[in-house]
Amino acid sequence: GNSVTQMEGPVTLSEEAFLTINCTYTATGYPSLFWYVQYPGEGLQLLLKATKADDKGSNKGFEATYRKETTSFHLEKGSVQVSDSAVYFCGCWGSARQLTFGSGTQLTVLP
Amino acid sequence: EAGVAQSPRYKIIEKRQSVAFWCNPISGHATLYWYQQILGQGPKLLIQFQNNGVVDDSQLPKDRFSAERLKGVDSTLKIQPAKLEDSAVYLCASRDAREDTQYFGPGTRLTVL
Repeated sequence: GNSVTQMEGPVTLSEEAFLTINCTYTATGYPSLFWYVQYPGEGLQLLLKATKADDKGSNKGFEATYRKETTSFHLEKGSVQVSDSAVYFCGCWGSARQLTFGSGTQLTVLP
Repeated sequence: EAGVAQSPRYKIIEKRQSVAFWCNPISGHATLYWYQQILGQGPKLLIQFQNNGVVDDSQLPKDRFSAERLKGVDSTLKIQPAKLEDSAVYLCASRDAREDTQYFGPGTRLTVL
């Protein structure tokens, strides 16, 4: 089956710092890749996605590029804000038509 | 467009008691999922429905968990009897058949004492 490995947290950054959260996946074929964000006490919200190699997903200043050669989908943001503090989950939708998640990365942004 | 609705948001029970969770998916979404999210982990799929039929329940602990989706819309997930290790957030998600994106509800946080 599919698997997703995420950078372990927690990650603590100062406001306006650069963010990278690493994500690699194992899947057969050509999976779709996702980043979801979970704010405290809430469900998962779709942040961005990419459905084929070299696609770049972007939303709210966050970006991630689907790299098939390295089986990666790293999340980046150039300048984080306090409001970005949340847990971020990388997900892989593969041939089994199921969404497999990583273990999540807790991000805290300090003012 | 209304999102996925879940209730209750919080539930505290004692071990060996029963509990039920309700989910109303996004209108028109044929596929519905229940996930269990233990603190500090990613969501784990429990069961997947397509309309009112079960597609995958291979990770559902069937000795104590059950789920149904009558009429292919709302769904309920039941635990009977609950164990301490069932303490988790139970997330419901739905998906349009033409897409690969799942939309999640706010979850039900279950605490078993």
